[in-house]
Amino acid sequence: GESVGLHLPTLSVQEGDNSIINCAYSNSASDYFIWYKQESGKGPQFIIDIRSNMDKRQGQRVTVLLNKTVKHLSLQIAATQPGDSAVYFCAEIPLIQGAQKLVFGQGTRLTINP
Amino acid sequence: DTGVSQDPRHKITKRGQNVTFRCDPISEHNRLYWYRQTLGQGPEFLTYFQNEAQLEKSRLLSDRFSAERPKGSFSTLEIQRTEQGDSAMYLCASSLGRSTVTETQYFGPGTRLLVL
Repeated sequence: GESVGLHLPTLSVQEGDNSIINCAYSNSASDYFIWYKQESGKGPQFIIDIRSNMDKRQGQRVTVLLNKTVKHLSLQIAATQPGDSAVYFCAEIPLIQGAQKLVFGQGTRLTINP
Repeated sequence: DTGVSQDPRHKITKRGQNVTFRCDPISEHNRLYWYRQTLGQGPEFLTYFQNEAQLEKSRLLSDRFSAERPKGSFSTLEIQRTEQGDSAMYLCASSLGRSTVTETQYFGPGTRLLVL
């Protein structure tokens, strides 16, 4: 069935270092992938997305990599800052006509150490 | 603020009571979604609307749950005869909804429900 999972539930990095958050997905028919950041008590905040016809996409300080061969997605955050501390979710939307349902993974808690 | 807004932000109720939540999407967004998130988990899809039409409902949405979007703008989610298992964060999201292409969904701050 559809599932999106993350390799690590927690990740701690030093301020200024780069961080990499990984995500494995099981639905090879998924067409669209998205990373959200969620701070305590708030709703998920869009970070970056990527479609299945791409393998890399860059934003401001963030890069998403998609490896369809092994069904793996990663989020790279450059020069982490204290404000990057949050739970990060990957989510997918399967390639089904009209499908608009996001399927989320459990999340990775990123902690930035000063 | 032109983002998705939800009201109330917090709700405490007793088991068996009915509750209603409201979501106002981003202006001119035609699609509106409801998700539920329990502690430590990712959000789970409940239902979504294209304008005023409810197009998909999850099996998580039992008969006690009903969602409406009568004028294609704001939406309400009602839970009747609440149970302790309904305690969760209820999230609303919206997207443009101008085509069949998958679109970015933008989330509101959520309504945290606690059923005693």
